[in-house]
Amino acid sequence: EIVLTQSPDFQSVTAKEKVTITCRASQNIRSSLHWYQQKPDQSPKLLIQYTSESFSGVSSRFRGSGSGTNFTLTINSLEAEDAATYYCHQSSSLPHTFGQGTKVEIK
Amino acid sequence: QVQLVESGGGVVQPGRSLRLSCAASGFTFSSYAMHWVRQAPGKGLEWVAVIWYDGNNKYYADSVKGRFTISRDNSKNTLYLQMNNLRAEDTAVYYCARDLTGVVTMMINWGHGTQVTVSS
Repeated sequence: EIVLTQSPDFQSVTAKEKVTITCRASQNIRSSLHWYQQKPDQSPKLLIQYTSESFSGVSSRFRGSGSGTNFTLTINSLEAEDAATYYCHQSSSLPHTFGQGTKVEIK
Repeated sequence: QVQLVESGGGVVQPGRSLRLSCAASGFTFSSYAMHWVRQAPGKGLEWVAVIWYDGNNKYYADSVKGRFTISRDNSKNTLYLQMNNLRAEDTAVYYCARDLTGVVTMMINWGHGTQVTVSS
């Protein structure tokens, strides 16, 4: 099973700042890495597919990058509505796995 | 628009069974793989199972293999999760999710979830 490790677990950021979340895979997953946003009491929503492709309707403030075992989600100019937990997910091999999540709080 | 509505959750004793359903609408259900993902209270997401668009391939997380069965009825646009021999650690919100394709890629639409509580 591929293990995904996110860092940090928690980040408290001021509005308009940039947020960077990393996801490290235990083995090469090429570009099969996706990012989801989950707001409190809501179901997850897909933000980024295949490392860097924005899903339909997602703000351009969300950017993904990386390859192989190291990936990054960047949120530019953080807004209050971005307060959420962010998860990475790999679909390179079964069983699929998720990172443990990174909670982003607005100061 | 795409709608996924889970049902069948509830409180059940350890060792008992429960069947979850997910009613799909707004897309051609028979063309897409479908997933179950769960989230224990205060915890992260855990992928549970996936079924190919035609039902011919299924995969499970090790934590549920041999106890849970994923299935689908394309004539009824419905996904199922039969959960047997339930344990306390199966307590979670269970989400169904649509895949991007007919085989396994990522989850592009999610339902609102159904709560399963395993407790004596």
